[in-house]
Amino acid sequence: KAGVTQTPRYLIKTRGQQVTLSCSPISGHRSVSWYQQTPGQGLQFLFEYFSETQRNKGNFPGRFSGRQFSNSRSEMNVSTLELGDSALYLCASRRDSDFFSGANVLTFGAGSRLTVL
Amino acid sequence: TQLLEQSPQFLSIQEGENLTVYCNSSSVFSSLQWYRQEPGEGPVLLVTVVTGGEVKKLKRLTFQFGDARKDSSLHITAAQPGDTGLYLCAEPPYSGGGADGLTFGKGTHLIIQP
Repeated sequence: KAGVTQTPRYLIKTRGQQVTLSCSPISGHRSVSWYQQTPGQGLQFLFEYFSETQRNKGNFPGRFSGRQFSNSRSEMNVSTLELGDSALYLCASRRDSDFFSGANVLTFGAGSRLTVL
Repeated sequence: TQLLEQSPQFLSIQEGENLTVYCNSSSVFSSLQWYRQEPGEGPVLLVTVVTGGEVKKLKRLTFQFGDARKDSSLHITAAQPGDTGLYLCAEPPYSGGGADGLTFGKGTHLIIQP
């Protein structure tokens, strides 16, 4: 059974540009969450999607957005990139039963490492 | 949102030694998870503790949840180089059914030298 797949694994952008990251969850999982990991702040929750709808959102500016497609694949977009957006962006999925029960048994992907110059 | 403090921030020890890392909060945890993240990978869930005083073992790893559910520890016996990684504690949100995401501590960077 394939795990959570994130693409691209590495990318470099310059300030002011925008970036789109992709995440394919484990087959059958409709819940996809995104987290940002930086050395200073650690792992912080960005948002969660379930069945194409954003269910929850963390405390990030509106430059951070996402969407989910009917096949449960999710993308997140960061517009007008800032140096501080350099981070490892992690995606995680969980079973539908865990989503409905509130059980946070997440499986993470390997992440997309974004460097903003 | 509750803050989770992990200590020590960095730990480097020799293979075969024992170690303990900690996760603390000023508030009561609803439950607590421990993850390990290896370089270039995402975090992997190791264990979830729910009940105050609970002890769970995973091979050479022993997880303990404080009686008052305000702290947790992870003890590794006879550490091996494969234990190297970032150890993270995380608290799920209080409400269920797809509520806010996990709150993570900043982690303990553990290096086991051969």
